[in-house]
Amino acid sequence: EADIYQTPRYLVIGTGKKITLECSQTMGHDKMYWYQQDPGMELHLIHYSYGVNSTEKGDLSSESTVSRIRTEHFPLTLESARPSHTSQYLCASSLQGNTEAFFGQGTRLTVV
Amino acid sequence: EDQVTQSPEALRLQEGESSSLNCSYTVSGLRGLFWYRQDPGKGPEFLFTLYSAGEEKEKERLKATLTKKESFLHITAPKPEDSATYLCAVQALVQFNTDKLIFGTGTRLQVFP
Repeated sequence: EADIYQTPRYLVIGTGKKITLECSQTMGHDKMYWYQQDPGMELHLIHYSYGVNSTEKGDLSSESTVSRIRTEHFPLTLESARPSHTSQYLCASSLQGNTEAFFGQGTRLTVV
Repeated sequence: EDQVTQSPEALRLQEGESSSLNCSYTVSGLRGLFWYRQDPGKGPEFLFTLYSAGEEKEKERLKATLTKKESFLHITAPKPEDSATYLCAVQALVQFNTDKLIFGTGTRLQVFP
């Protein structure tokens, strides 16, 4: 079983609030990713990182930001949540040179 | 444009009734094709990676195959616990440095006792 954890699992928050979704992995993986998934839709890559101090934007434009200060930690922040941010956010990690990605359980975000 | 199409969208099977799920892809040079299983409310769970046409991989009741245009996930004598959404994803050679995976929308499988 993959050792990658996301908190919180569920979050309901008001418009305009700042939120941070946490993602941690204990596998020592260099690469980490954030995907967004709406019900019945495909996963879309919104951010990725090759290692500490590395962050890149994915294909899907997102108003969120990420940071990678430690190998094991890859938090995602929304400065001002909006209803359009309502979605499931999935964090994943993989080893360098290996594309097999392990996913966390996801955070289901609802902005009201 | 790189694209992944999965069919059918949904599949209902009786326990023991074997079937296949399809993943058709268009990609500018395939580096790898991936199958994942996703249970409701959870993250995808890795199943298989296939790299070249003709390759096959098996795990319990599941067998994945790959051609130059599509992949099949064969389910032999399924059980109710095989019920889940099965996701297919591809990685293009040009995306090697980013490891970006392009996902399909999945096939939702329900197996009834």
